[in-house]
Amino acid sequence: GESVGLHLPTLSVQEGDNSIINCAYSNSASDYFIWYKQESGKGPQFIIDIRSNMDKRQGQRVTVLLNKTVKHLSLQIAATQPGDSAVYFCAENIGRYSTLTFGKGTMLLVSP
Amino acid sequence: KAGVTQTPRYLIKTRGQQVTLSCSPISGHRSVSWYQQTPGQGLQFLFEYFSETQRNKGNFPGRFSGRQFSNSRSEMNVSTLELGDSALYLCASSPGTGVTGELFFGEGSRLTVL
Repeated sequence: GESVGLHLPTLSVQEGDNSIINCAYSNSASDYFIWYKQESGKGPQFIIDIRSNMDKRQGQRVTVLLNKTVKHLSLQIAATQPGDSAVYFCAENIGRYSTLTFGKGTMLLVSP
Repeated sequence: KAGVTQTPRYLIKTRGQQVTLSCSPISGHRSVSWYQQTPGQGLQFLFEYFSETQRNKGNFPGRFSGRQFSNSRSEMNVSTLELGDSALYLCASSPGTGVTGELFFGEGSRLTVL
């Protein structure tokens, strides 16, 4: 089946910088696009989601952008902190209840 | 409110054996999903249960099965274990009504098959 993919496997930034994590998706039928954060030894944690009828959504220090024309999703983290160091996954829901298709993940490394 | 609890956290099995993993969802959540996480394949959907019924199933062989009890707790079973079944098995719960992207994950059960 179709799956969500990522452009960059590892992103290294300095504390205080803004981080941008990108994701390409292939299923035009997806209803929801979601970002998860997974810290070492833990399960994924929901960060933010965006519905397919939106192109931008903001949360606390995070912004998700959706470009349906090029099937691209991005997560922007403002003023990145060492605690943001983790693997970030994009995921999509094609409208099947709680079933998500995950991308491969991007590791974000934040240096103090 | 307690989070999603998975047991056991770690286990080692040998090829050919079977294993049962348990998941207790967040109180009030009626949907439980299972995912397999490996370095090579990432996070892959196994199945989802809602009100004791399998609502959706991923592309895994029949050796992988699950069930959900009336209290929403869920178990998954893998029979005739293969080396490639070594993975982190994650359980996630959600209220289960409608389409959602917000799942609440447990810390996983790490299975090693020797």
